[in-house]
Amino acid sequence: DIQMTQSPSSLSASVGDRVTITCRASQSTSSYLNWYQQKPGKAPKLLIYAASSLLRGVPSRFSGSGSGTEFTLTISSLQPEDFATYYCQQSYSTPWTFGQGTQVEIK
Amino acid sequence: EVQLVESGGGLMQPGGSLRLSCAASGFTVSSNYMSWVRQAPGKGLEWVSVIYSGGSTYYADSVKGRFTISRDNSKNTLYLQMSSLRADDTAVYYCARDGLNEYYGMDVWGQGTTVTVSS
Repeated sequence: DIQMTQSPSSLSASVGDRVTITCRASQSTSSYLNWYQQKPGKAPKLLIYAASSLLRGVPSRFSGSGSGTEFTLTISSLQPEDFATYYCQQSYSTPWTFGQGTQVEIK
Repeated sequence: EVQLVESGGGLMQPGGSLRLSCAASGFTVSSNYMSWVRQAPGKGLEWVSVIYSGGSTYYADSVKGRFTISRDNSKNTLYLQMSSLRADDTAVYYCARDGLNEYYGMDVWGQGTTVTVSS
C-alpha cells in the first residue's frame, strides 16, 4: 500500500498569509494526487485533482504542484473561510490512501 | 442538480450486518467510479472501497472480506453491505463520485451517514 504523509500536521496562520502544505508518498503516484478541504461536521470538498488541476469553482488562490512522490498545496493569500483541515489522497493504485490531514488554524 | 444522499446508518451490535445506500441524482452512477470513505470520530479520512464503471471492485484491507460494494443501475444507487461489524467500524460513512477514471478525484460527496457499533 502507498503511504501518504503530510506536513505539517497543523499550522497557525493569519489572514493574508501564504500557506504551503506538503504531501509525500512512499512510492511514486505519478500525478494521481488529489487535495481536499474539510470543515468540521461537513463532507470533504475536492480542491485539486491530478496534482495541479483546479476544480471548477475553486478559488484561484489554491494551487497544487508536484509529481512522483512529493506534492504541495499552496494557498496564496489565506482567507477566513480557508480555516479547515486539508487532506491529500493518491488514486494511483488501490487501496486509495489519504494523508493524515493538516489542520489550518487562525493565529 | 448533482447530488448524493446516503441512508442506512444506525446503532449496531458487534458482529451485526448493515447495508448503506447512496442515491444519486443528476448523473449516472454506472458511468463513474464510485467510492465509500469513512471517518471515525475525531480522526482523518479512510478510503473504504471503490467500484469502477466496468464493475471491478476494490477494498481497504481493514474491510476486505466483510464489506461488499455494489450498485443498482435501475435505481441509480450505490450500496455498501457491511457484515461482521466491529467497534472500529464506527464512523461517518460518505459515498463519493470518483470520476470517470483514476485521474479526477472525488468531486461529489454525500452528507454522510453515521454507523455506531457498540454493545
